[in-house]
Amino acid sequence: KAGVTQTPRYLIKTRGQQVTLSCSPISGHRSVSWYQQTPGQGLQFLFEYFSETQRNKGNFPGRFSGRQFSNSRSEMNVSTLELGDSALYLCASKLGSFDQETQYFGPGTRLLVL
Amino acid sequence: GQQLNQSPQSMFIQEGEDVSMNCTSSSIFNTWLWYKQEPGEGPVLLIALYKAGELTSNGRLTAQFGITRKDSFLNISASIPSDVGIYFCAGQQVGNQFYFGTGTSLTVIP
Repeated sequence: KAGVTQTPRYLIKTRGQQVTLSCSPISGHRSVSWYQQTPGQGLQFLFEYFSETQRNKGNFPGRFSGRQFSNSRSEMNVSTLELGDSALYLCASKLGSFDQETQYFGPGTRLLVL
Repeated sequence: GQQLNQSPQSMFIQEGEDVSMNCTSSSIFNTWLWYKQEPGEGPVLLIALYKAGELTSNGRLTAQFGITRKDSFLNISASIPSDVGIYFCAGQQVGNQFYFGTGTSLTVIP
């Protein structure tokens, strides 16, 4: 079974630009969560999508948004990029069944904002 | 958001030694997961725990779900150089997001 895939793996943008990251969950998984990982802040939860609906949301500004498609693939968008948005963005998938959930991560997208 | 207290923050050990780390929370969790992350990669799931008191092994790794449901422990026996990495715990209440520990950085000296 293929794991969680994320594209692109690396990205360089400049301040003020916007970026879209993509995540394909493990086949059969309906929940996709996004995280930002930085050396100073660790793993910070952005949001979770389940069946195309946002189910949980972290404490990030509105510049960070996401969506999920009917095939459970998810995209994350960051508008008006700031230098502090440089981070490893991780996507994780799980069944979403509320019962003994196990969450699996993708390899991440490393974003550098100049 | 909530973050779990994970300790120690870093460990430098000799090859062959055993390792212990733990995570504590002020909240009760229904699920505890342990991950290992290597540079430039996403975290890889090591062990999943779903029941208070549960003890689960994966090779040289053993993890326990604390009786109070507010903590979890990970032990690595007879460490080897490829154990190097950052170990994270994650806890979840049913239907909620996962909360993560701050990580334990493990260095194994050959």
